[in-house]
This record gives sequence, structure tokens and C-alpha cells, in this order.
Amino acid sequence: QKEVEQDPGPLSVPEGAIVSLNCTYSNSAFQYFMWYRQYSRKGPELLMYTYSSGNKEDGRFTAQVDKSSKYISLFIRDSQPSDSATYLCAMRRSSNTGKLIFGQGTTLQVKP
Amino acid sequence: KAGVTQTPRYLIKTRGQQVTLSCSPISGHRSVSWYQQTPGQGLQFLFEYFSETQRNKGNFPGRFSGRQFSNSRSEMNVSTLELGDSALYLCASSWTQQVHEGEQYFGPGTRLTVT
Repeated sequence: QKEVEQDPGPLSVPEGAIVSLNCTYSNSAFQYFMWYRQYSRKGPELLMYTYSSGNKEDGRFTAQVDKSSKYISLFIRDSQPSDSATYLCAMRRSSNTGKLIFGQGTTLQVKP
Repeated sequence: KAGVTQTPRYLIKTRGQQVTLSCSPISGHRSVSWYQQTPGQGLQFLFEYFSETQRNKGNFPGRFSGRQFSNSRSEMNVSTLELGDSALYLCASSWTQQVHEGEQYFGPGTRLTVT
């Protein structure tokens, strides 16, 4: 069983929809949670970075962490065709700062 | 501020050869981590360097090695290449290893093809 599980999709939505992306994890030691966006043939781009449980909002993006359920989410409001990419969740322990554990990534397509 | 740069961007090598990849972190960043990305396994952690010292290592064979220089630039080396080493190799840098800091920013990657 992988430490971090993420549905690979693909997920296809119409422009303007609210997108919900999720990851579950098994290791309760994880304290820091990230979402990256990766376009084809590019490196991952950091979207959201959160510590412990709670919500964080940045523009059209909202990240939620529920440590009791070992579940993290990324919501994208008013989705745009330019949001079409692979979204990767990642996490790390507080004492192991350099090592990120990634989910498999979810491929999102936003149709005009 | 310039982002993480990686050279070369593309490489084609033959089985049995060795290869060296280079990474220049964001100015001021002291930690550099390397990852391998493949369609089957996704993104997997190789190792991390901070102040020229390897701080963490992933589950890869000893053919994979790295180092960091005093200016924080890093190199990784893969010896005796195998077909399965074909992947996108990503470098990520972060400012420090202190708690509550350490967002990692990735470079564009080096795409290695082994034939």
C-alpha cells in the first residue's frame, strides 16, 4: 500500500465548474502538505503549502487538511482551460524536511 | 529572481554508460533535493543535500549518487545506466531546513532516455 493515494483520473469538467481534488495518506507523522501543478513536459509548480490541519485560500484555490481523517483536498473555483494539468499532492514529516512523498497525480481537463 | 535551473534539459545515453546532471538552486536556497519521475512510479525522492551534506536518501541503488558544492549547486550521477533509468529527473530547492519553512520549488527537469 502506498503512503499517499491519489485518484489519477482523468477528471474532465466544463469551464467555470468547481473542481475537487483529493488525497488520502496513511502516515500520521506527516505535518506539511502541498499541492503542485504540473503541465506536460514541465516541472511541478507549487500552488499551496499548509501546515497541520485547517484551510488555506489563495485566489481561486483552497486547500483543506483533515489530519484526523488523513485526508487533504484542493478546490479550484471558476475553473479555466488553463487549469488543465496534472495536480500532485505531496507531504512531509516535520523532522524530514527535504523528503516529499507524492501522490500519483490527478489529470484534470477543463473544457471551454 | 531566477528559478531553479537544470542542465542539460535532454539526454540520450546507452545502457552501461554513466551520466551527470546539474542543478542550480534559487539564489539563497541552501537545500537541494532530487526526484525521479516515471509514468509508472510517479515522483520518487532520490536524496537531499544541505550545506554540502547528504541529509536524506531515498530507496535507490548505489548507482545513484549526488553531491553539493559550496555555492549550493548540486549534481547527481547515475553509473552503469539501465533501461529503467529512463525518466524525468527533477531538482527542487528550498531556503532552509527549519521547521515551518522549506517550500520546495522545482526546476524544469532533465529528461534522460537510455537506449
